[in-house]
Amino acid sequence: DAGITQSPRHKVTETGTPVTLRCHQTENHRYMYWYRQDPGHGLRLIHYSYGVKDTDKGEVSDGYSVSRSKTEDFLLTLESATSSQTSVYFCAISKEGDFYNEQFFGPGTRLTVL
Amino acid sequence: EDKVVQSPLSLVVHEGDTVTLNCSYEVTNFRSLLWYKQEKKAPTFLFMLTSSGIEKKSGRLSSILDKKELFSILNITATQTGDSAIYLCAGRGSNYKLTFGKGTLLTVNP
Repeated sequence: DAGITQSPRHKVTETGTPVTLRCHQTENHRYMYWYRQDPGHGLRLIHYSYGVKDTDKGEVSDGYSVSRSKTEDFLLTLESATSSQTSVYFCAISKEGDFYNEQFFGPGTRLTVL
Repeated sequence: EDKVVQSPLSLVVHEGDTVTLNCSYEVTNFRSLLWYKQEKKAPTFLFMLTSSGIEKKSGRLSSILDKKELFSILNITATQTGDSAIYLCAGRGSNYKLTFGKGTLLTVNP
């Protein structure tokens, strides 16, 4: 168990509202990631972080921003939610910083944008 | 752009059958190939392969990587209903990002 929690676990919101999802880890791992999972698309990387205040974009970053002010927390913000952002969002961490480490996933957040 | 393609996209078998899941990849500065199992929750890690031709095994599951032909297979022998899941393949390049395939949905019927 990599000690990853996500909050909220479920959220329903309306188009145009801001939404923030939180990923929290208890083991001080350097690398953290946000993915979205949609039918027919698999898991797609939104943003990732390689340290406090160090973040970079993934393949589907438009409409999303992230922040990492503490090692243990990685926040994903939808500034103005759209229906196309209805999805299941997974946070992941890498346990070590070398090239060969696997990623471990949090339980996921199901977001519905009406 | 990195790319991972899995086949088949779905598969239905009977308990006791053996299945082979395929994963081909095009990953810049390839480092490793990972397999995950996903039931109705978060993906769970199965295998990571970095060297060609070396089989990794865990019980009835095994996987092998061919770095020359850029593919990997995941074998499951004597399938059980509990093997029903989506199996995800991912490639890692020289950065710390994974590129996932769309997954293979395996259904094992009793």
